[in-house]
Amino acid sequence: DAGVTQSPTHLIKTRGQQVTLRCSPKSGHDTVSWYQQALGQGPQFIFQYYEEEERQRGNFPDRFSGHQFPNYSSELNVNALLLGDSALYLCASSPGLNTEAFFGQGTRLTVV
Amino acid sequence: GESVGLHLPTLSVQEGDNSIINCAYSNSASDYFIWYKQESGKGPQFIIDIRSNMDKRQGQRVTVLLNKTVKHLSLQIAATQPGDSAVYFCAEANQAGTALIFGKGTTLSVSS
Repeated sequence: DAGVTQSPTHLIKTRGQQVTLRCSPKSGHDTVSWYQQALGQGPQFIFQYYEEEERQRGNFPDRFSGHQFPNYSSELNVNALLLGDSALYLCASSPGLNTEAFFGQGTRLTVV
Repeated sequence: GESVGLHLPTLSVQEGDNSIINCAYSNSASDYFIWYKQESGKGPQFIIDIRSNMDKRQGQRVTVLLNKTVKHLSLQIAATQPGDSAVYFCAEANQAGTALIFGKGTTLSVSS
């Protein structure tokens, strides 16, 4: 079992650009959540996808959007990048609500 | 509002000692909690979870204690090893069970 896999591992983008991050959940998991982790902070919830729909959203602007595919994999899109979007973006998968969530290794996004 | 915090930002112990990492949560209605370990440059690693109908749960070398009266959670690590050095986060599931709310983390340093 490969666990949760994310790509790419590192990314550098210019302010104003758009970025797409990808996540494959752990085998058997149908729920995918995305988190943003700033340096020295705990992860902050962006949104969760289940059955290809956004089930819950955290306090993030509409520039952050996502998608879930029929095979449960997911993408996180961020438009009009700001310097403050520089962070580690984490994907977590789980087999349902209130169950153990397993994280990928993250994508380190740097906006310059 | 919902929030999770940790009592100490850093904890230094000697190899072989027992470590106790504490966490306070604010939402008395929370019923699911997870402890994560995060090493530098990696995603959070699931350690152990506990539901509100339990006071204690044991894993391999780890024990989680939940005190609902004072809304306190702790992680005990027995015979701490240098490989246990990392940042530890407690996370609380929101009421819908769709998102995890993280505190800022405790950095555990183990010296041999």
